[in-house]
Amino acid sequence: EPEVTQTPSHQVTQMGQEVILRCVPISNHLYFYWYRQILGQKVEFLVSFYNNEISEKSEIFDDQFSVERPDGSNFTLKIRSTKLEDSAMYFCASKVEGGTDTQYFGPGTRLTVL
Amino acid sequence: RKEVEQDPGPFNVPEGATVAFNCTYSNSASQSFFWYRQDCRKEPKLLMSVYSSGNEDGRFTAQLNRASQYISLLIRDSKLSDSATYLCVVNSDGGSQGNLIFGKGTKLSVKP
Repeated sequence: EPEVTQTPSHQVTQMGQEVILRCVPISNHLYFYWYRQILGQKVEFLVSFYNNEISEKSEIFDDQFSVERPDGSNFTLKIRSTKLEDSAMYFCASKVEGGTDTQYFGPGTRLTVL
Repeated sequence: RKEVEQDPGPFNVPEGATVAFNCTYSNSASQSFFWYRQDCRKEPKLLMSVYSSGNEDGRFTAQLNRASQYISLLIRDSKLSDSATYLCVVNSDGGSQGNLIFGKGTKLSVKP
């Protein structure tokens, strides 16, 4: 069964450093998403991406965040200057075009900012 | 503000019990509704979509009441493996590409 993959599984970084989280969505999916979940809290939407551009972003997704689809398979989330409060699980999700609204989630990257 | 509210739990039940979770959502534009399951420190996994007519998948039954903006999940004959957090999820708007809005989840613990 095809699945969303994410790397790394765990990233530890110093405050102020840049991090790039990587995702490989399911191959025939065209909608891509990033969500985050701070420990003990609910999953929160960050950004959606379709047709090589951002479709929608939340208030969390400020100028420190950016997304890119550098090639036909990868989808990345960059945090330019990490803060302590960026520590969370970051989930990538993808969805087919049309039909079902179901989004399929990757295993997540645990980001720890020290 | 678009919100999804769930029973806070935790629900501690014996094996074989029937347990019900409830959820309300605030965004009347939502058109798609789901229950996801999340194990500790893992990703959310789709348990089932929820349809207006109600739907059943084995031991799991989901109901939707659009007028009340209320969603429910019933688990019959609970198994130890059902222990997890159950997330009520709706899409943010009527379009199929909308982002998902998650509830905080209800933790279920099934004991032998």
